[in-house]
Amino acid sequence: KQEVTQIPAALSVPEGENLVLNCSFTDSAIYNLQWFRQDPGKGLTSLLLIQSSQREQTSGRLNASLDKSSGRSTLYIAASQPGDSATYLCAVRSVSNYKLTFGKGTLLTVNP
Amino acid sequence: GAGVSQSPSNKVTEKGKDVELRCDPISGHTALYWYRQRLGQGLEFLIYFQGNSAPDKSGLPSDRFSAERTGESVSTLTIQRTQQEDSAVYLCASSVGGSGANVLTFGAGSRLTVL
Repeated sequence: KQEVTQIPAALSVPEGENLVLNCSFTDSAIYNLQWFRQDPGKGLTSLLLIQSSQREQTSGRLNASLDKSSGRSTLYIAASQPGDSATYLCAVRSVSNYKLTFGKGTLLTVNP
Repeated sequence: GAGVSQSPSNKVTEKGKDVELRCDPISGHTALYWYRQRLGQGLEFLIYFQGNSAPDKSGLPSDRFSAERTGESVSTLTIQRTQQEDSAVYLCASSVGGSGANVLTFGAGSRLTVL
């Protein structure tokens, strides 16, 4: 059974800092890994999708890496802004089924 | 539509009542998923539709939960005889197909509170 763990559970940083969020998964047989952002009272917004054959994806100030063999992914946020404050969720899509298995998320607070 | 729409956005009900939650996926998306997010927990998979069929219902927590989809479009999640532990945000997502490469688009969710 696929399990996804996110560390840390919460993170508070001053504006402008670079930061890294971590995600690990137990079954490396995955189609892809996806990072989402969740704002209070809103749905999930997809940030980056990394296919199993890829090592990283970049979008603006965000960079996500994937090391499938070790079951790890990181989300790097450069020059953080207060608007980045949200819960960040990591999810993997296993080869054995088409479900997304989610971690519990990292609550990020960027202080002005 | 432009995105995945869910209704109601908030529902408060009394224990023992039945509730229906609705999801309107993005037009043309054949795959539809329901997830549940309880307070402080990760998202739990409930059910997956491909077209109007549900090849995977393995996440439905009990026989009080059921879901249907019609016209390869709207889906309804029904919870009968609600219990307090059913309180959660119920999220719907859709994608172009069920392939692993497809990106899921999520709705804003329906927050259910059972008193």
